[in-house]
Amino acid sequence: EAEVAQSPRYKITEKSQAVAFWCDPISGHATLYWYRQILGQGPELLVQFQDESVVDDSQLPKDRFSAERLKGVDSTLKIQPAELGDSAMYLCASSLHPAGELFFGEGSRLTVL
Amino acid sequence: AQTVTQSQPEMSVQEAETVTLSCTYDTSENNYYLFWYKQPPSRQMILVIRQEAYKQQNATENRFSVNFQKAAKSFSLKISDSQLGDTAMYFCASRWGSGNTPLVFGKGTRLSVIA
Repeated sequence: EAEVAQSPRYKITEKSQAVAFWCDPISGHATLYWYRQILGQGPELLVQFQDESVVDDSQLPKDRFSAERLKGVDSTLKIQPAELGDSAMYLCASSLHPAGELFFGEGSRLTVL
Repeated sequence: AQTVTQSQPEMSVQEAETVTLSCTYDTSENNYYLFWYKQPPSRQMILVIRQEAYKQQNATENRFSVNFQKAAKSFSLKISDSQLGDTAMYFCASRWGSGNTPLVFGKGTRLSVIA
C-alpha cells in the first residue's frame, strides 16, 4: 500500500542550528501539505503545494522557515535557525487533488535543546 | 475566524462499550466538509469518517458513525463495540468552502480503551 514517506523520524538539535525534513508523497498526488503539531494540540498548516507551486504559506514563519517542492514531487521543509519553540511533530500529507482525502506520513519529531 | 473545538481532552471506555466524542465548529460558510481523524501512538494519522455539510444523512463506517447537527454546529463521533485498537488521539477537522482549502483541526481527544 502506498504511503507518504518522511525522514528523519526523529531529530534532536541545538537552538540556532539548521534542520531539514524531507517528504515523499504518494505517487501521483499533486497536493502536498506540511503541518506542525505541538504536543497536546492539533496539527496546524504551515504550507500547501499544488504541484511545484505554493498555494498557501500564510502561517509559515518565513523569517526562519522555508519549504520547496522543486519538481512537484518530493518536498523539503527547512528551519534556520531553530528555536526552542520549534519543538514539535512535523507532519507531511498528500492528496490526489486539493479537495481529496489527505494521507499523512508518520511525521518527523523535532526536539530543540 | 473559523474554528473547530473539542472539549474533551481525554476519555476512556471499556472494551465492547460505546463512546461518543464531541466536536463543535464555527463557520459562516454554507459549503464545508467535516472529518474525524485517528492518530494511534507513534503511527500516522488516518481518516476515520467524513461528512459533507449538504448531506442530511449521518455518515457511517462500520463501527464508527457521526451525529451531525448542522444548526447546532455539532459533529460528534460514536464508536460502537470499542476495541483495544481504537486507543488513539482523535481529531475533528473541517475543510471550509469548495474544497481547495486546508484542513483545520481541533485540539484532539485522547481515547483509551480499557480491557
